[in-house]
Amino acid sequence: EAGVTQFPSHSVIEKGQTVTLRCDPISGHDNLYWYRRVMGKEIKFLLHFVKESKQDESGMPNNRFLAERTGGTYSTLKVQPAELEDSGVYFCASSHIGANEQFFGPGTRLTVL
Amino acid sequence: QKEVEQNSGPLSVPEGAIASLNCTYSDRGSQSFFWYRQYSGKSPELIMFIYSNGDKEDGRFTAQLNKASQYVSLLIRDSQPSDSATYLCAVGLNKFYFGSGTKLNVKP
Repeated sequence: EAGVTQFPSHSVIEKGQTVTLRCDPISGHDNLYWYRRVMGKEIKFLLHFVKESKQDESGMPNNRFLAERTGGTYSTLKVQPAELEDSGVYFCASSHIGANEQFFGPGTRLTVL
Repeated sequence: QKEVEQNSGPLSVPEGAIASLNCTYSDRGSQSFFWYRQYSGKSPELIMFIYSNGDKEDGRFTAQLNKASQYVSLLIRDSQPSDSATYLCAVGLNKFYFGSGTKLNVKP
């Protein structure tokens, strides 16, 4: 069974530009989560999808971040416009409905210059 | 106050010894607890989860939970150099709260 995949693995952009991160969950996992780790800090929750619906977006830092999961399969996280403080590693995780164990992808390292 | 606290380490143990990693959490109502292992530049890998007070064993790993003390630990028996990694404690239901991780070094 393939694990959670994320694309790209690295992204370097200038302040003010737009970046879109993609996550493909494990096949059959209806729960999809986004997390972020900024330098020197712990991994923090951003939001949770159940299929295509946003279940909890309490961790989204501001309206420059937009997450979508059209069709309930893969998800995208767009940052527009990017700011310096958005730099960090963005992780995606997925789980089965009714299961609490989350499986993480390798992350996308975002650097905003 | 942080939701989940871990000693950042590094924790150094000799090969073959028991490594003991600790985690405390602030939300007394927490029900689900997880340990992830993360090698540098890699994804966090789920190695143990525990939902009930007491011990849960899986191979060389034992998770221990004490809800009254709001404390969860991970014991690694017969530590191997390949166990050298950062161990992350996570607490929560759907929305996970992570500690900052403890770096473990197992010396040959």
